[in-house]
Amino acid sequence: GAGVSQSPSNKVTEKGKDVELRCDPISGHTALYWYRQSLGQGLEFLIYFQGNSAPDKSGLPSDRFSAERTGGSVSTLTIQRTQQEDSAVYLCASSLRPGQVGATNEKLFFGSGTQLSVL
Amino acid sequence: AQSVTQLDSHVSVSEGTPVLLRCNYSSSYSPSLFWYVQHPNKGLQLLLKYTSAATLVKGINGFEAEFKKSETSFHLTKPSAHMSDAAEYFCVVSDPGGYNKLIFGAGTRLAVHP
Repeated sequence: GAGVSQSPSNKVTEKGKDVELRCDPISGHTALYWYRQSLGQGLEFLIYFQGNSAPDKSGLPSDRFSAERTGGSVSTLTIQRTQQEDSAVYLCASSLRPGQVGATNEKLFFGSGTQLSVL
Repeated sequence: AQSVTQLDSHVSVSEGTPVLLRCNYSSSYSPSLFWYVQHPNKGLQLLLKYTSAATLVKGINGFEAEFKKSETSFHLTKPSAHMSDAAEYFCVVSDPGGYNKLIFGAGTRLAVHP
């Protein structure tokens, strides 16, 4: 497809269950980000994959959160033992390799997000 | 460490009047700065970006922003608001020390009244 694809678009789950959120970035984009936006909050960085480098996991809020990126393309964000405070829109974004300050290829392309509701 | 502060969580203007959305940043490096817009039920869209070229940056839909290093500011302006400008606006700084990780401000909700 032409853009960043996320699935599912909506997910309702019960507290304590595990969920997997999927992101399919734009083909050829080596950088992939996960953000979340809780109601009334700004975007919160979660994790950043850049090519073959070790991912930047500094934004993951707890060890219940993990993410993988297989083959440098599709990424899966997994939340184990979900809690009500995990309810948010989870956004994925991709870009060409940023590389350097001032690079012209830092434009991020965002998916439409997954609305996660934990009951 | 990089950080971004959007000084107003809500801004309300009348159609046809100027828009000013304020953003201050903190950076140990020469930053790259961006403004993104998020319309209701839509994804994020890049409005404009500053990457150490001209300090006055023009974006889409008539928006522009001026990078002022002495004030560590990157305020977003538009001479005349349109109803379709009502949205959430995010100021963003790129962290070159963190492999260009993007750090978002908390957002400013712009309301435009007839």
